[in-house]
Amino acid sequence: ELKVEQNPLFLSMQEGKNYTIYCNYSTTSDRLYWYRQDPGKSLESLFVLLSNGAVKQEGRLMASLDTKARLSTLHITAAVHDLSATYFCAVENTDKLIFGTGTRLQVFP
Amino acid sequence: DTAVSQTPKYLVTQMGNDKSIKCEQNLGHDTMYWYKQDSKKFLKIMFSYNNKELIINETVPNRFSPKSPDKAHLNLHINSLELGDSAVYFCASSRTPTLLYFGPGTRLTVT
Repeated sequence: ELKVEQNPLFLSMQEGKNYTIYCNYSTTSDRLYWYRQDPGKSLESLFVLLSNGAVKQEGRLMASLDTKARLSTLHITAAVHDLSATYFCAVENTDKLIFGTGTRLQVFP
Repeated sequence: DTAVSQTPKYLVTQMGNDKSIKCEQNLGHDTMYWYKQDSKKFLKIMFSYNNKELIINETVPNRFSPKSPDKAHLNLHINSLELGDSAVYFCASSRTPTLLYFGPGTRLTVT
């Protein structure tokens, strides 16, 4: 059974700092997705990574995928308060997405 | 225009009752899903339908019964509600590859 783990589970960081969220998964998959969820809201797609070595960037967020290591990273550059949310990675497995445990990010001044 | 909509947004009910949640998507997607998000924010797939046909049925109690009258609608009926059913239920739709578009969620509270 595919397992998807994220770390850290909770991240409190100061504005302007950099940090990386890690997503590890247990079986082979070539497709990985990152989602953002604001408190009390739905999930919004951030990145779709479809092959080994894929890198996508949007604003202060950059996601990458290493299918050989079964690892994806979400790097945050110069964090701002608006990035405070819960971030999920999700791995495709037999036509369904298996979600990671989520990383709750809190950015403070 | 709302892409994936769910009703109701909030549902408070007592143990033992039967309730339904409705979902509609106007994206023209072939596949629809129900996910459950528990109090720890963990998201787990429950069901998936492709063109009205059930294709994924995870280990879910048979008190939960999905129904898809057409490919734009996927409803979830829950019989004999239990305290442990309290959660947020998300409907989603997709076109292959599996990029999911989520609805706003239905927060179910069983008392």
